[in-house]
Amino acid sequence: DTAVSQTPKYLVTQMGNDKSIKCEQNLGHDTMYWYKQDSKKFLKIMFSYNNKELIINETVPNRFSPKSPDKAHLNLHINSLELGDSAVYFCASSLGHINTEAFFGQGTRLTVV
Amino acid sequence: GENVEQHPSTLSVQEGDSAVIKCTYSDSASNYFPWYKQELGKRPQLIIDIRSNVGEKKDQRIAVTLNKTAKHFSLHITETQPEDSAVYFCAAQDNNDMRFGAGTRLTVKP
Repeated sequence: DTAVSQTPKYLVTQMGNDKSIKCEQNLGHDTMYWYKQDSKKFLKIMFSYNNKELIINETVPNRFSPKSPDKAHLNLHINSLELGDSAVYFCASSLGHINTEAFFGQGTRLTVV
Repeated sequence: GENVEQHPSTLSVQEGDSAVIKCTYSDSASNYFPWYKQELGKRPQLIIDIRSNVGEKKDQRIAVTLNKTAKHFSLHITETQPEDSAVYFCAAQDNNDMRFGAGTRLTVKP
């Protein structure tokens, strides 16, 4: 009965490859997010979707493309992976995009070699 | 957009002492201020939050204060225990997104 689940938990891949991370929430939430946590533990928002519509798109390279097939899913596709993309990526969801707690997935540790 | 500053970046206390972590934010439209705890290798989890119509909130050993005029809010942990050791993040949310501070690594020494 995991609330926010991401797959895979670990991902090791070579530079230049294309990879996807999947996220699903079973909480009935309207809003989903992707955050990147670098080696210094800084949590930086990348994208926010509300009811499948993009609300926030931070200054993220266009190699990163989110896809929300329905409001329970927000997948992250990354093209032409670079060494600097290595980080932990967290998916999160909240009931709305105002004044509500965000529930995080367990994270995906991406290592680009 | 919102900018959240958090201090200190590391904090070491003796078991039983109090710990205080402070955050400031820039966007006066921000109206929701949660605090998250992240243990090593785990996901961030909410420990307490406060909304802009309240100045203080307490939950057992944890309390949060908010000063909207000065745009700062603080987390207070009393009677710290070794299991309080973790990275703590403050966050501020306006009508669009939730921005996090850089985190504070708290170590409670037995």
